[in-house]
Amino acid sequence: DAGITQSPRYKITETGRQVTLMCHQTWSHSYMFWYRQDLGHGLRLIYYSAAADITDKGEVPDGYVVSRSKTENFPLTLESATRSQTSVYFCASSEGYERTSGGVIYNEQFFGPGTRLTVL
Amino acid sequence: AQSVSQHNHHVILSEAASLELGCNYSYGGTVNLFWYVQYPGQHLQLLLKYFSGDPLVKGIKGFEAEFIKSKFSFNLRKPSVQWSDTAEYFCAVNAAGAGSYQLTFGKGTKLSVIP
Repeated sequence: DAGITQSPRYKITETGRQVTLMCHQTWSHSYMFWYRQDLGHGLRLIYYSAAADITDKGEVPDGYVVSRSKTENFPLTLESATRSQTSVYFCASSEGYERTSGGVIYNEQFFGPGTRLTVL
Repeated sequence: AQSVSQHNHHVILSEAASLELGCNYSYGGTVNLFWYVQYPGQHLQLLLKYFSGDPLVKGIKGFEAEFIKSKFSFNLRKPSVQWSDTAEYFCAVNAAGAGSYQLTFGKGTKLSVIP
């Protein structure tokens, strides 16, 4: 089934452990994004990627590492999990910009179902 | 960097009441604007979007939004809400004029519709 998937959907881990959250999309979108969603903060961008092997920091990158060796995958790694990283993590993908006769259109981002991570 | 403000944190309405959720952004250049909805326990879904042209944009499920450039606003409206509209609503902005590939989200407005 086409779309964007995340795994695991739920994860409980302990402080100091390494955790990797997976994201996979079947649309061959160029752009992929990782957000965290916290009460009172909405969605905050952690990292994004414009293409395979191209990644860049978002608003809250500290404590996270990403890679993108293939267009369809964009894993997020917490190298040493902390309690403050307890959150819901959403992956998203987008085709990016499209130039039309009406101007430049930023295509919508499509979101995955999320991973609820608890760090004890 | 641009910012997005959603003034209402939690709105409680009875069914059939009219809805207006406020959204203001700070970027002065060309923008693309979005409203996303997150139903309980689900992921974000696009409700509507604005790129150019008619500032009144119609989306799914009877929602619409009006872009007022002079006020840096993109308020979401629905004339008559239903219980199934209970969800969290996020306004998002892309600073197209800056060549940014990012979306900046507001903190969200939780809507509770009472049957």
